[in-house]
Formats: sequence, structure tokens, C-alpha cells
Amino acid sequence: AQSVAQPEDQVNVAEGNPLTVKCTYSVSGNPYLFWYVQYPNRGLQFLLKYITGDNLVKGSYGFEAEFNKSQTSFHLKKPSALVSDSALYFCAVRGLDSWGKLQFGAGTQVVVTP
Amino acid sequence: EAGVTQFPSHSVIEKGQTVTLRCDPISGHDNLYWYRRVMGKEIKFLLHFVKESKQDESGMPNNRFLAERTGGTYSTLKVQPAELEDSGVYFCASSQALGGIADTQYFGPGTRLTVL
Repeated sequence: AQSVAQPEDQVNVAEGNPLTVKCTYSVSGNPYLFWYVQYPNRGLQFLLKYITGDNLVKGSYGFEAEFNKSQTSFHLKKPSALVSDSALYFCAVRGLDSWGKLQFGAGTQVVVTP
Repeated sequence: EAGVTQFPSHSVIEKGQTVTLRCDPISGHDNLYWYRRVMGKEIKFLLHFVKESKQDESGMPNNRFLAERTGGTYSTLKVQPAELEDSGVYFCASSQALGGIADTQYFGPGTRLTVL
């Protein structure tokens, strides 16, 4: 069985400071990892994904994520947070035995204050 | 290119009534998925269509839920009869025809269902 954990319900950060949203996973075989963001009253928007190759993945809006196999983590990062980054962030994993379906974490609310 | 669209955006119904949600995937996407987020919890998979066929319906909670995708284009998800615990946000997603494990799923805005 596969699972995803986002240990923080909420992350608070001041504008201009680095932002990190944590994600750990459990899956059989090689993981396929995704980050999505949900802005207020909007649907889920794809940010980035890790399939294979370079452990540092760059995505939309200046976000990046680092895949760490030994720690089974895929933390989302942004060097300098903006107020407009305030949103709900979801980590998701797909394993080889799950074909299409994504397993999501519970989500982390990011609040960026001016 | 239009994204995934869902209708309605909100639905409020009474327990025991029937509701039908609709999803239009991105044009050319053979894979269509339904997910649900209940009471602020994690987003959970419901089912997966490849064209008009159900590839995986392991996440469907019970037989009150019926999903169809006639002609392999849009999909409907019917809840009949609705119960209080069905309240939540229903998301639809689609991915392109390759259908590989690395495919990105693109999500619609969701339908917020409230059962009173």
C-alpha cells in the first residue's frame, strides 16, 4: 500500500523568507511524486513532479522540490515566498502497482504574511 | 486550450435526493479520474476511466455512486440517494492518451456538494 504524510497542517512564513512544505511517502518500488496547489476557490493546479533522474525538480511559480530516497521525502521549497503563495499545498504519490490513481496527503496550508 | 471543467460548481441537496455531477476533460485526454475531498481531509481516489471503460473503480464508496463516460468524452457521477457523509468537494482530472504512470493529471475546479 502507498501513503503520503504531510506533517504540518499549516506553515507560516514572512514574505521574502524561504518556504518549505514537507512531504514523506511510502510506496512499493520507485515512486512517482507530485505537488499540487489549490488557491482559494480554485481547482488543483499542478506544480511539479519527480519521475526519475535529477533529485532536484524545478516547477511552476519558482517552486522546486528535492527527492530524497533514503529519507523517503519530497519537500517543496521556494527561496523567497510571496504573499500570493498563500494557498493549500498537496503532495501526491503514485506507485507502480497503482496505475493511474494518485494517493494524496492531507494538505498543508501556507500562510505568507507581508 | 480549455482545461478540465466541472458542473455545477456548487450543489446543495437534501438527504435522499439525487445529484449528478458532470466533468468535461481536456480534449484528447483518454484518461479521466474522479476524486473526493471530505471534511478537509485528504483527497481520495474514486475511479479511473480509460476512454469509456472503467479501469479502476476501487475507490467508489458504495453502490449509491454511479459513474459513466458514454462515448469516452465527458463523464457523470451520480449519487443516489445522497447521504450526509457524501458532502465534500468532488474533483475530476484528466491525463493524455499515453496513460503512463508518469502522466500528469490536470484537475478541474471541483464541485462542492452539500447534503443537508
